[in-house]
Amino acid sequence: DTAVSQTPKYLVTQMGNDKSIKCEQNLGHDTMYWYKQDSKKFLKIMFSYNNKELIINETVPNRFSPKSPDKAHLNLHINSLELGDSAVYFCASSQKRTGGYGYTFGSGTRLTVV
Amino acid sequence: AQSVTQLGSHVSVSEGALVLLRCNYSSSVPPYLFWYVQYPNQGLQLLLKYTSAATLVKGINGFEAEFKKSETSFHLTKPSAHMSDAAEYFCAVSDLTGHNDMRFGAGTRLTVKP
Repeated sequence: DTAVSQTPKYLVTQMGNDKSIKCEQNLGHDTMYWYKQDSKKFLKIMFSYNNKELIINETVPNRFSPKSPDKAHLNLHINSLELGDSAVYFCASSQKRTGGYGYTFGSGTRLTVV
Repeated sequence: AQSVTQLGSHVSVSEGALVLLRCNYSSSVPPYLFWYVQYPNQGLQLLLKYTSAATLVKGINGFEAEFKKSETSFHLTKPSAHMSDAAEYFCAVSDLTGHNDMRFGAGTRLTVKP
C-alpha cells in the first residue's frame, strides 16, 4: 500500500491547457504539501495544508490552485499552462506541522508543457 | 528565515571510501535538520533527522550526521560507500515554531566509482 500516492506519474500537455494532479496519503498525517522540483533539482515549497486549512501559499502564480477535500487528499489544479511550468511536482505529508516530523514524499508527477 | 547551503553540487568517491556531504544551516531559532535521498525518478526518502536530542544522529543505510552548533553544520557521512549509494542528497531545515515549513538545499549528487 503506497503511503503517499500521486497521479498521474507523467503528464504531457500543450500550452494553455488546464490540468490537475491528485495526491492521497493513507498515513493519517495532518499536514500535506506541494513542492516543485525544477530541472536543476531545486525543490521549492508551493503550498502547505494543515487539516484541510491552507497554511502556506508561497509566491506561486494564481494559475495554481490547491484543493484539499479532506486531510488525506491534496490536489493541485493548474490553469493556462505555460512552458515554465514544466517540472516534477511532489506531494508530501507530515504527521504534524510542528515538532520536527519528517516528510513522506510521493513519487512525483513529471509535467511537460509543449 | 531559515536556509541551508550544501557545499558541492557533485561529489565523487570510490566504492569503499568515506562519504562526506556538507550542509551548513542558517536559522535564527534552534532548527530541526534533515537529510533526504532521492534515487533517479523517485521521490525523496528521509535518511535521518536532528531534533535537538543527541547531536550525532544515525540514519538508514549506514549514514550518520553530526549537528555542530558552533559551526552551524550538519554534515552527512558514511564510512564506506556502496554503489547503491549513488543518488541525489538533500539537506533540509525547519524551525521549532513551524511557521516556516521545510526548506531544502540545492542538493548534492553522489557518484560512486567501482
